[in-house]
Amino acid sequence: NAGVTQTPKFRILKIGQSMTLQCTQDMNHNYMYWYRQDPGMGLKLIYYSVGAGITDKGEVPNGYNVSRSTTEDFPLRLELAAPSQTSVYFCASSASRGRYNEQFFGPGTRLTVL
Amino acid sequence: EDKVVQSPLSLVVHEGDTVTLNCSYEVTNFRSLLWYKQEKKAPTFLFMLTSSGIEKKSGRLSSILDKKELFSILNITATQTGDSAVYLCAVTNNAGNMLTFGGGTRLMVKP
Repeated sequence: NAGVTQTPKFRILKIGQSMTLQCTQDMNHNYMYWYRQDPGMGLKLIYYSVGAGITDKGEVPNGYNVSRSTTEDFPLRLELAAPSQTSVYFCASSASRGRYNEQFFGPGTRLTVL
Repeated sequence: EDKVVQSPLSLVVHEGDTVTLNCSYEVTNFRSLLWYKQEKKAPTFLFMLTSSGIEKKSGRLSSILDKKELFSILNITATQTGDSAVYLCAVTNNAGNMLTFGGGTRLMVKP
């Protein structure tokens, strides 16, 4: 199992550009999440999904969009990048039963908006 | 709104010292509290606590939860330089699987 994979690892965007951060998990987890982590801070939840076709906003959803067309994939879209979106983005997944509160994290995407 | 506060913000110790990291929380319909260790990249899971007074142990690390006073501590004994990391505390409620994270405690262990 690869676990949770994210691409790209690094990206620099100009203000107003758009991009999609990719996230894939091969553990058949129903729950998937996107977090951002600003320097020296904890993680803040952007969006989450409880299954294919179902998404919901987290703490800081403004400026982002998500979709969940399959169980495996949960891409995060930035439409009009702003310097405030400079951050490290983590995708995570968890099972809906069993150890349901243990979230498995991807390696992160470091995004800089100039 | 669920809230998690960790203290201290940062800590510098020498190898062999024992450290205690604190996590206090306010959450509606508390379900569990989790500790993560974050080095250079993604957080890695340490413990999940759901019941008061039951200590979880893994090697030199241990953690306990107090649901009455709404806090948890993470103890690390005989610290090593490899323990240097940011330690994150998070809580979840009965509404779902979302985690609310604290700001983390940055631990540096000097040789």
